[in-house]
Amino acid sequence: AQSVTQPDIHITVSEGASLELRCNYSYGATPYLFWYVQSPGQGLQLLLKYFSGDTLVQGIKGFEAEFKRSQSSFNLRKPSVHWSDAAEYFCAVAFIKAAGNKLTFGGGTRVLVKP
Amino acid sequence: ETGVTQTPRHLVMGMTNKKSLKCEQHLGHNAMYWYKQSAKKPLELMFVYNFKEQTENNSVPSRFSPECPNSSHLFLHLHTLQPEDSALYLCASSQQGQGEWNTEAFFGQGTRLTVV
Repeated sequence: AQSVTQPDIHITVSEGASLELRCNYSYGATPYLFWYVQSPGQGLQLLLKYFSGDTLVQGIKGFEAEFKRSQSSFNLRKPSVHWSDAAEYFCAVAFIKAAGNKLTFGGGTRVLVKP
Repeated sequence: ETGVTQTPRHLVMGMTNKKSLKCEQHLGHNAMYWYKQSAKKPLELMFVYNFKEQTENNSVPSRFSPECPNSSHLFLHLHTLQPEDSALYLCASSQQGQGEWNTEAFFGQGTRLTVV
């Protein structure tokens, strides 16, 4: 069965510093990978996705992620964090089915931004 | 109107009550989903509907009863819930092709459910 692991439950970073969130997956084939962000009291917003092609993916809000097949990883990065980036971040793997996509989510990483 | 709208945003119900959660998508998608987000567990897929037909029931207890009258609306009927069912219930939609991945899932803001 597919699974997604986000090893870091909480990360605290200073505003302006760089951020990297880790994501590892277990899947029988090349997966479709996603990063979502959830602000307090809100739903999930897609930051970026990887389907195929270039393994470095650019997303919204200045985020990027790199797919590394050899490490089964899809880590999310941002060079300079803003206070508004404080939120919870979820990595997800898609199981492709014609009858509806199944997303398996990691446990999430909560990011706190210090002034 | 946002893409996926859920009502109510907050709901408190007793264990003997019957209530319903509503989800509406304005994106023209053909697949809709219910997810449960509990405090200390990863997001869990509950149900998948494709073209109004239920295609996935992820071993969800029968006290949760979904209904999809058309491709734009999805309901989750609740009855005789337990306190451990308290969670954020998220609705999502996506566009499905024939055997191909078309779009990612777009999520609503969720309904925060508290069972007392």
